[in-house]
Amino acid sequence: DQQVKQNSPSLSVQEGRISILNCDYTNSMFDYFLWYKKYPAEGPTFLISISSIKDKNEDGRFTVFLNKSAKHLSLHIVPSQPGDSAVYFCAAYYGGSQGNLIFGKGTKLSVKP
Amino acid sequence: SQTIHQWPATLVQPVGSPLSLECTVEGTSNPNLYWYRQAAGRGLQLLFYSVGIGQISSEVPQNLSASRPQDRQFILSSKKLLLSDSGFYLCAWSRQGSEQYFGPGTRLTVT
Repeated sequence: DQQVKQNSPSLSVQEGRISILNCDYTNSMFDYFLWYKKYPAEGPTFLISISSIKDKNEDGRFTVFLNKSAKHLSLHIVPSQPGDSAVYFCAAYYGGSQGNLIFGKGTKLSVKP
Repeated sequence: SQTIHQWPATLVQPVGSPLSLECTVEGTSNPNLYWYRQAAGRGLQLLFYSVGIGQISSEVPQNLSASRPQDRQFILSSKKLLLSDSGFYLCAWSRQGSEQYFGPGTRLTVT
């Protein structure tokens, strides 16, 4: 059973527009959420995170929104740039201090110039 | 600053052969260490994690094993590879309760 779901396998956006990547989770015990960006043949790189006590976290062009009641989070990229083209993974924490992450299957973002 | 190394970067092995992938972390002590696999068209699957030397927890039963002989060294092994072991293997580290940082990965093709 998938505890973290990214229902859109791919997303195509025009350069300069907003990219919105969505993620849903089922386990209400998750208390920390992260987004990772991954280029082909490279390891994922940490992008932005949000604690369950917040509903928004912003870092430059990247903003993550958390809706706990809906068990939904989203990553907004504004403005989108061609270099943002990558696979984006949503991840959620369980396991306390051990920090075990549950990953979604990823969404491939293509930003067209 | 902390860095994480994985080798080899790519590997082609025949079915039934052994496997050893190595991961080392620099610039930190007593990290949590992780092995993930990304199979084609699938997300990241946690295989093993370790909170200390000699302490290994397995998330998925399979023909792979992991060992942590030193504080900052994590090894993924198999005695006999299967075709289904092909994939992209990622090592990661974290401090307790924080985000994980990934290595560059190893592309394994079992033929």
